[in-house]
Amino acid sequence: EVQILESGGALVQPGGSLRVSCAASGFTFKFFAMAWVRQAPGKGLEWVSSISDTGGRTYYADAVKGRFTISRDNSENTLYLEMNSLRAEDTALYYCARMDGDYELIRFDHWGQGTLVTVSS
Amino acid sequence: SSVLTQPPSVSVAPGQTATISCGGFNTGSDSVHWYRQRPGQAPVLVVYDDTDRPSGIPDRISGSNSGNTATLTISRVEAGDEADYYCQVWESSLDRAVFGPGTKVTVL
Repeated sequence: EVQILESGGALVQPGGSLRVSCAASGFTFKFFAMAWVRQAPGKGLEWVSSISDTGGRTYYADAVKGRFTISRDNSENTLYLEMNSLRAEDTALYYCARMDGDYELIRFDHWGQGTLVTVSS
Repeated sequence: SSVLTQPPSVSVAPGQTATISCGGFNTGSDSVHWYRQRPGQAPVLVVYDDTDRPSGIPDRISGSNSGNTATLTISRVEAGDEADYYCQVWESSLDRAVFGPGTKVTVL
């Protein structure tokens, strides 16, 4: 059974930094691209970042480019999101999701329960 | 780039059929995927590649794509279908995912 568990969410001051993690099990982690998707309180889903199976390619939404860094440790089956220069508008539940499909067929077939990041003074 | 559109809300009586539309994607190239998010829960993939269902999703839920509009259809609606539904495409030219704004389905 695929299991995805996020952790590390916290209350952070504006301008601060935080790293959230995602532990995956139940599938061969190193064979799948992974992503972070966030959801601000009462709002819709917003794709944040994706990383290829090997970690060699990374992609970011314009809203976080230059501030967030996605990475993975395939030996530990863990995905990370390092967030710097945090803003109030980054406040959201951050979901880790497994990606499946090729090219324009890419979708998110398994999701964790999310970890809450709150940016406030 | 794609900006996906969905109706904000759909109301349907139990046993009836709910349809949710999704537009604004690149016709002829983008495949549309659909997610259900029940209150307080994580999203769940319910339809992928326009029409396919993951294992465990009942055949009451189906998808179609006419070229410029994708549609999620929920037949014989039940109370448990009450949720937010999101469509999604992957823009391969920009290497990014785009989600629709979501449609809240209310079971009357």
